[in-house]
Amino acid sequence: QSVLTQPPSASGTPGQRVTISCSGGNSNIARNYVFWYQQRPGTAPKLLFFGTDQRLSGVPDRFSVSKSGASGSLAISALRSEDEADYYCVTWDDSLSGPVFGGGTKLTVL
Amino acid sequence: QVQLQQSGAGLLKSSETLSLTCDVYGGSFSGYYWSWIRQPPGKGLEWIGEIDHSGSTNYNASLKSRVSISFDTSKNQFSLRLTSVTAADTAMYYCARSLGYCSTPTCDPLGYWGQGALVTVSS
Repeated sequence: QSVLTQPPSASGTPGQRVTISCSGGNSNIARNYVFWYQQRPGTAPKLLFFGTDQRLSGVPDRFSVSKSGASGSLAISALRSEDEADYYCVTWDDSLSGPVFGGGTKLTVL
Repeated sequence: QVQLQQSGAGLLKSSETLSLTCDVYGGSFSGYYWSWIRQPPGKGLEWIGEIDHSGSTNYNASLKSRVSISFDTSKNQFSLRLTSVTAADTAMYYCARSLGYCSTPTCDPLGYWGQGALVTVSS
């Protein structure tokens, strides 16, 4: 059972917009930045966003993030086949004194 | 460019000790946080613990009694030891370094990752 809650799956067709949610609580998302990672099969997670909404170099501007209260979200517009991957949200939990991960969302491009 | 190269994967038997190392290329230890994360087959990510440049450690409470993270600056590497392993410890283990965005781990994400090392524990 993950501290942060993500939908296990999401899907869309090429060109569509998809949003992945990440729900937490007062000790984690509500107080800290949410980081987003992309993980393709057989590879290590790759950091996409940090800070409030800072995008790593090389991340397309089709990707965007937002946060409200104890929830965050990752949006991908103009969906492409190469966006198919697992996406994880991560944040610091003040009560646990360590980072906590969402369970991951498997994005399928139909 | 920072690169993390892992070694020490393999097959262990229950009750043995897992030992992994992460060689660091292209950067110093100072000013960053160095972490270990694991991912059981087909499952999500779990933070194991971290060490900062001063040698101060912070561990996941669920693993704290069995885990130890250290670094050897003379060899430019940091290490993970996990004692008394069971089948539940079977996972891909990753080492990672913080991005350097800010001065505390609460706001500094894991920006650089090793390639991963698969550890299988048999009973």
